[in-house]
Amino acid sequence: QSVLTQPPSVSAAPGERVTMSCFGSSSNIGEYYVSWYQHVPGTAPKLLIYDNDKRPSGISDRFSGSKSGTSATLAITGLQTGDEAQYYCGSWESRPRVFVFGTGTNVTVL
Amino acid sequence: QLQESGSGLVNPSHTLSLTCAVSGEPISGGFHPWSWIRQPPGKGLEWVGNTYHSGTTSYNPSLESRVSIFVDRLTNQISLKLTSMTVADTAIYYCARASDQGFDYFDSWGQGILVTVAS
Repeated sequence: QSVLTQPPSVSAAPGERVTMSCFGSSSNIGEYYVSWYQHVPGTAPKLLIYDNDKRPSGISDRFSGSKSGTSATLAITGLQTGDEAQYYCGSWESRPRVFVFGTGTNVTVL
Repeated sequence: QLQESGSGLVNPSHTLSLTCAVSGEPISGGFHPWSWIRQPPGKGLEWVGNTYHSGTTSYNPSLESRVSIFVDRLTNQISLKLTSMTVADTAIYYCARASDQGFDYFDSWGQGILVTVAS
């Protein structure tokens, strides 16, 4: 039921910058806020970004989010081995009204 | 802090019952929506539904006929019941707290519990 599309994987060397996109439509990202989550299998998912570009307390400023129209982007700078995880975007969908998550992007540190 | 518990193995056609123990805050003391989210093996996250301490609920339309989520104020727990389970319901089930300002994101998650549907 993922109506938000993300690239399956991205990779980069330690210290580099990676970005990942989240493509939606006017009935989800175009109308609502976007949030981003980091998930290491076997652990609780962690909120990284909310309301498109805000970081919760305790989240490194290496993580940043942006939104434009019907797409959103998560950037990670100064990539670390600890950043290896699955990353999901999320937003409300208005038709029907349901909270939806993206397909997920696996980040690999080379 | 959120901690899921319940039946990890469910027979097909039977009902799943899970609970989420909330510690560190009284559910009835705030306005957070409390949600269940699941992740089938090899797939992405799917929002199941949510409840408020008032008892107001909303559910994913794809599951609405089979799901109920409710608050137990005495034990400070959130419960999930999903009837007529099938293999397609095999997943890790997470409970999560949503923001109390607009319900735009999930700021706290449990570690999840694996539920397998098999006979």
